[in-house]
Amino acid sequence: DSGVTQTPKHLITATGQRVTLRCSPRSGDLSVYWYQQSLDQGLQFLIQYYNGEERAKGNILERFSAQQFPDLHSELNLSSLELGDSALYFCASSGERQGETQYFGPGTRLLVL
Amino acid sequence: SQQGEEDPQALSIQEGENATMNCSYKTSINNLQWYRQNSGRGLVHLILIRSNEREKHSGRLRVTLDTSKKSSSLLITASRAADTASYFCATADLGAGNMLTFGGGTRLMVKP
Repeated sequence: DSGVTQTPKHLITATGQRVTLRCSPRSGDLSVYWYQQSLDQGLQFLIQYYNGEERAKGNILERFSAQQFPDLHSELNLSSLELGDSALYFCASSGERQGETQYFGPGTRLLVL
Repeated sequence: SQQGEEDPQALSIQEGENATMNCSYKTSINNLQWYRQNSGRGLVHLILIRSNEREKHSGRLRVTLDTSKKSSSLLITASRAADTASYFCATADLGAGNMLTFGGGTRLMVKP
């Protein structure tokens, strides 16, 4: 158990819909990262938040957005969903020093029908 | 985009044998991390090696890093059926914050 929790574990929805994925980092970790794992793109970094502020952005679509709240949990919002958005979405957390280990949550499996 | 390649893409060995997986990357890095993933589940952190380190051990795992060749290897000794999983290398690129760039992974099957 990494100490990072994600809900829900599974999500099935239809094209055009909007969903919210939730992540709670390990106790004391200020950084939260979101990654997407799909069959065709592999594991890709989406976005990082540090203590409530956006720190880095990767291959995140404009239809996707994220935020980190004062209690440090984070939410990833996916809207206008397409079939190709079906993937595993992982959250990871780390401490504040650069180069620290990232600990991953169990992931949310999203299926868009 | 993927940072680099992992070699081999798939590996099948007998229990008790050693398994070696290689990872190549393209940019200057801060550190390189290895993760294990059991069939579509979460990523489990195995080991982190910093750019100024050449070798690191953790139990049955040995990781090497050659920054001049931009490559790393993961050796699992005396493998067990429970080691069956996908193994990914991930680099934290210099100057790119702490985001990780992952390789495509090696699927390891250890037959009992």
